[in-house]
Amino acid sequence: KAGVTQTPRYLIKTRGQQVTLSCSPISGHRSVSWYQQTPGQGLQFLFEYFSETQRNKGNFPGRFSGRQFSNSRSEMNVSTLELGDSALYLCASRGLGSYGETQYFGPGTRLLVL
Amino acid sequence: EDQVTQSPEALRLQEGESSSLNCSYTVSGLRGLFWYRQDPGKGPEFLFTLYSAGEEKEKERLKATLTKKESFLHITAPKPEDSATYLCAVQSTGNQFYFGTGTSLTVIP
Repeated sequence: KAGVTQTPRYLIKTRGQQVTLSCSPISGHRSVSWYQQTPGQGLQFLFEYFSETQRNKGNFPGRFSGRQFSNSRSEMNVSTLELGDSALYLCASRGLGSYGETQYFGPGTRLLVL
Repeated sequence: EDQVTQSPEALRLQEGESSSLNCSYTVSGLRGLFWYRQDPGKGPEFLFTLYSAGEEKEKERLKATLTKKESFLHITAPKPEDSATYLCAVQSTGNQFYFGTGTSLTVIP
């Protein structure tokens, strides 16, 4: 099976702009989660989508939003970018593997806000 | 408050020098504990899932163990290619994942 894919891999934006990131989960996985990773904070949970519905949400401002399509692909949007939004954004799809239910991560999108 | 704490933050080992990484957690109910390896600029790579106290899993030079409040990742005779950041995560019965901030391991030839 193909792994989790994320596009684009790198982005440079300026403050105030908005950005949309895309994630395609492993085939058959219906759950997609998004995380923000920074050197100081580690992995911070943004939200999880399951069958096109937001199932869980972390403690991030409303500028961070997401959606999931019927084919399980997911997008994350950040509006009015701030310098502090510079981070690695990771998408994970969840499903049953050889070891039970597990999250599998994509390579991430590196966002730099100038 | 659900929380995962990893120690040490950084660890430098000589090639062949065995050691352990620690992951302690407080969570309202544990569905599973996960170990990941992350190389710079890449997404975390799944290593192990542990579900109950006393459980152990092994893969090459790595062995993960679980007690009621913590997990250990034992690295036996490490090689330079084992250098990476090792992340621990717990899945609560509320179906949320909580990650530690990781242990950065450097293995010196």
